[in-house]
Amino acid sequence: AQSVTQPDIHITVSEGASLELRCNYSYGATPYLFWYVQSPGQGLQLLLKYFSGDTLVQGIKGFEAEFKRSQSSFNLRKPSVHWSDAAEYFCAVGFYNQGGKLIFGQGTELSVKP
Amino acid sequence: DAGVIQSPRHEVTEMGQEVTLRCKPISGHDYLFWYRQTMMRGLELLIYFNNNVPIDDSGMPEDRFSAKMPNASFSTLKIQPSEPRDSAVYFCASSLYGGGVGTEAFFGQGTRLTVV
Repeated sequence: AQSVTQPDIHITVSEGASLELRCNYSYGATPYLFWYVQSPGQGLQLLLKYFSGDTLVQGIKGFEAEFKRSQSSFNLRKPSVHWSDAAEYFCAVGFYNQGGKLIFGQGTELSVKP
Repeated sequence: DAGVIQSPRHEVTEMGQEVTLRCKPISGHDYLFWYRQTMMRGLELLIYFNNNVPIDDSGMPEDRFSAKMPNASFSTLKIQPSEPRDSAVYFCASSLYGGGVGTEAFFGQGTRLTVV
């Protein structure tokens, strides 16, 4: 069965430090991969997506993610974290021919300390 | 476009009452999804529609839950009777399928349901 694992439930980083959030997926075919961010009390905003092509994808707010097929991973990175990045981050896998259906990971809560 | 619109944003109801959550997808989108978010289970897909037709309702927790999409611009998720364990944030999302390529889903702001 398809699944997404985000191993880190909660991460704290200092403002200005680099960030990497981990995501591993299980899916038999080439996946469509997404990272969403959720601020408290808000909906989900798409940060970036991978459908095909270049395995390093750029997103909004200075985020990037790299698809590594050999490791079944799609880790999210940011070189310098801002206090406003504190939020919950969700990795998700989508499916061919099923519209925008998504399976989400459990999420990683990011705290940023000054 | 105003995006996916959900109403109400917050709903507090008593156990046993009927609850109806509403969603207006982005105009022109042909897929609509209902998700539920809880601390214990995270974000889980309840049901989704394609061109107003339910495609997969395997995520609907039990018969108390039902969803309809009478037309391309409106969907409802109904819980009858409601129970405290139904307390969660319910998200609606819509997408436009590109035919063989990956599709991005756009989410509404969610409805926070509290059943007391």
